[in-house]
Amino acid sequence: KAGVTQTPRYLIKTRGQQVTLSCSPISGHRSVSWYQQTPGQGLQFLFEYFSETQRNKGNFPGRFSGRQFSNSRSEMNVSTLELGDSALYLCASSSRTGGTYEQYFGPGTRLTVT
Amino acid sequence: KQEVTQIPAALSVPEGENLVLNCSFTDSAIYNLQWFRQDPGKGLTSLLLIQSSQREQTSGRLNASLDKSSGRSTLYIAASQPGDSATYLCAVGDHGSSNTGKLIFGQGTTLQVKP
Repeated sequence: KAGVTQTPRYLIKTRGQQVTLSCSPISGHRSVSWYQQTPGQGLQFLFEYFSETQRNKGNFPGRFSGRQFSNSRSEMNVSTLELGDSALYLCASSSRTGGTYEQYFGPGTRLTVT
Repeated sequence: KQEVTQIPAALSVPEGENLVLNCSFTDSAIYNLQWFRQDPGKGLTSLLLIQSSQREQTSGRLNASLDKSSGRSTLYIAASQPGDSATYLCAVGDHGSSNTGKLIFGQGTTLQVKP
């Protein structure tokens, strides 16, 4: 099976702009989660989508949003970018097997805000 | 609120040594724990998943244990190799999110194995 893919891999944006990141999960996985990784805060959970519905949300401002399509592909959007949004954004997909979820991560999108 | 701590933050060992990485969590009501490896600038690779009902999992030279009552997990790496150099992350599936894919991560242990 192909792994989790994320596009684009690298992005440079200017403060105030908006950005959309894309994630394609492993075939058959219906859950997609997004995480932000920074040197200071580490890995932090943004939100999770399952069957096109957001079912869990982390502690991030409303500028961070996402959606999931019927084929389980997901996008996250960040509006009005700030310098502090510079980070590695990781997407993970999972399916429920053996009574639990195992997360599989993509390579990430490196976002730089100038 | 669940918090995950990993000690030490960094570790340097000579090739061939056996080593232990530690992970602790504040709320023992977890439904699973997962160990990941991350190479610089890359995504996360899943190493081992331990369900809450299990005590340990093994894969090759890796062995992870889980003690929910004390809020601890350890990752044992046998006969370390330079290719094991990476950051190792521990993450717990919080019981409050038992039916979701949400993970809470530690800050990681950066391992360097010297030839």
